Amino acid sequence: EAQVTQNPRYLITVTGKKLTVTCSQNMNHEYMSWYRQDPGLGLRQIYYSMNVEVTDKGDVPEGYKVSRKEKRNFPLILESPSPNQTSLYFCASSLGGPPFYEQYFGPGTRLTVT
Amino acid sequence: DQQVKQNSPSLSVQEGRISILNCDYTNSMFDYFLWYKKYPAEGPTFLISISSIKDKNEDGRFTVFLNKSAKHLSLHIVPSQPGDSAVYFCAASPFLAGTYKYIFGTGTRLKVLA
Repeated sequence: EAQVTQNPRYLITVTGKKLTVTCSQNMNHEYMSWYRQDPGLGLRQIYYSMNVEVTDKGDVPEGYKVSRKEKRNFPLILESPSPNQTSLYFCASSLGGPPFYEQYFGPGTRLTVT
Repeated sequence: DQQVKQNSPSLSVQEGRISILNCDYTNSMFDYFLWYKKYPAEGPTFLISISSIKDKNEDGRFTVFLNKSAKHLSLHIVPSQPGDSAVYFCAASPFLAGTYKYIFGTGTRLKVLA
């Protein structure tokens, strides 16, 4: 089944403790992206990757890191999480970047930083 | 600075009637627009898109209209069905400017009443 998977689905952590949220897709997609969803702010893009070893900032990259060493994986790294990074995170992938290619979203990871 | 705005946080419509969801944008560099639908506890799913060279695109019950001079797009759902009840996000991309990011709006919660 074609899908985007994220792990973990739920995570509660403390300020400053490094964490990684994994994202994997099995569709051989080139474009991958991370978003956060917050009440009243909608979805905001954190980082995106056009292909292996090619990443670029979205609108809210501060406090996050990404890497794209393999085509299928695009982990999101929070080196020193803070409470303002408490959010619902979505990974997405598409065959290519805009235009023309629809993004497929993962089920989301709910992160709470205390 | 919200470049993509959905000014109606919620909308209620009777089953069988037309639902019209609106979206305004401020960046004239946007040249590709999309609508996504999101159910609770799931990732967003792609609905329909439109390029800036068009003013209308149809897919079954869903039609997107683009008014470039007004920097406004709308999604029409006809006829509305209870299963359409979800949060709808519009999104835009300025890909012709060489940046392959997506900017999402804050979302409109549609409730279709049976």
